[in-house]
Amino acid sequence: AQSVSQHNHHVILSEAASLELGCNYSYGGTVNLFWYVQYPGQHLQLLLKYFSGDPLVKGIKGFEAEFIKSKFSFNLRKPSVQWSDTAEYFCAVKGAGNNRKLIWGLGTSLAVNP
Amino acid sequence: SQTIHQWPATLVQPVGSPLSLECTVEGTSNPNLYWYRQAAGRGLQLLFYSVGIGQISSEVPQNLSASRPQDRQFILSSKKLLLSDSGFYLCAWGQGEQGLTGELFFGEGSRLTVL
Repeated sequence: AQSVSQHNHHVILSEAASLELGCNYSYGGTVNLFWYVQYPGQHLQLLLKYFSGDPLVKGIKGFEAEFIKSKFSFNLRKPSVQWSDTAEYFCAVKGAGNNRKLIWGLGTSLAVNP
Repeated sequence: SQTIHQWPATLVQPVGSPLSLECTVEGTSNPNLYWYRQAAGRGLQLLFYSVGIGQISSEVPQNLSASRPQDRQFILSSKKLLLSDSGFYLCAWGQGEQGLTGELFFGEGSRLTVL
């Protein structure tokens, strides 16, 4: 069965620190990959996505993620975090094809201290 | 542009009482609609999805039901709430089953507390 694993449940950083949130999935075929973010008091929203092409994708607010097919990974990165990046981050994976469901990781709670 | 709204935002209900959470989408037609439950440390659990009016698929057996009386309206209901129904419920829409691409757009969420 498909699954998504986010390595860190809680991350605490100081402003200007670099961020990398791990995401690994188990699925042998073609996948669509997502990072969603939920800021405090706001709705869950798409941060970035990968469907095909360049495995390094850019998202909003300076975030990027790299798809490494051989490692089944889609880690989220940001060179310098800000206090406003404090949020819950979810990795999600969907296998190619209409009958494939979106599988979610358990989420990583990021707290950035000013 | 498309928008999605769900209400109420917060609800406190006694055990055994009924429930109705409503979600509406604007700016798109024939969307696929989803109800998720989000629990701390447990990610998002898909409860129901609908590909059209009157078409409901249930993902997990539970005390809840869903209905889609209109193209852009999705309702989550219960006849008798249990304590375990407490949680944060999210409505979402996308294109295609589970989103053809997987990209979903979420409402603001409804926090239900059952006492």
